[in-house]
Amino acid sequence: DQQVKQNSPSLSVQEGRISILNCDYTNSMFDYFLWYKKYPAEGPTFLISISSIKDKNEDGRFTVFLNKSAKHLSLHIVPSQPGDSAVYFCAASRLGAGSYQLTFGKGTKLSVIP
Amino acid sequence: NAGVMQNPRHLVRRRGQEARLRCSPMKGHSHVYWYRQLPEEGLKFMVYLQKENIIDESGMPKERFSAEFPKEGPSILRIQQVVRGDSAAYFCASSPPGLAGKDNEQFFGPGTRLTVL
Repeated sequence: DQQVKQNSPSLSVQEGRISILNCDYTNSMFDYFLWYKKYPAEGPTFLISISSIKDKNEDGRFTVFLNKSAKHLSLHIVPSQPGDSAVYFCAASRLGAGSYQLTFGKGTKLSVIP
Repeated sequence: NAGVMQNPRHLVRRRGQEARLRCSPMKGHSHVYWYRQLPEEGLKFMVYLQKENIIDESGMPKERFSAEFPKEGPSILRIQQVVRGDSAAYFCASSPPGLAGKDNEQFFGPGTRLTVL
């Protein structure tokens, strides 16, 4: 049973445009959400996170939106750059329950075309 | 400040052998997590350790797998009698003491790619 789902395995976007990566979750106990970026043969790198008490968090070109009622979050990258080409993982945790384990989606491969 | 170190980066074992994967957390970090990534899958949590303590091993297979984080030295993930299905990338992450650092951010190492022949 996959609790965190990224339904788009891949996404192609023109340089300078907006990239929108989506993530859905089923476990209503999740209260903290994170996005990681991963290049081939490297470990994931933390990008941005959001607590369930917020609906938006922004950091530079990256914005994460959370819709708790829909159990949906999205990562917006604007403007997209070729260096953003990587696999993006959505992850969730239950900090309120004292659990630090991250539950990951399968990832979305973003290709930014120059 | 060095990041999370993992070694070896690549490990080849034959069926039935043992695999030992090492992880040195970032300086000042006392929490270590192990995750496994199978091909075309996301990372799956295996175990969470603090120094000399296993805090959460709910993701560890019941047999052949064990983990430790001794008072001195790196954390070790040990897989006994490996089988082909153990072939995967194994990632270690670390975080500082307290509320797992900023926003439960875990810092990941580059991973160890285990291939079982």
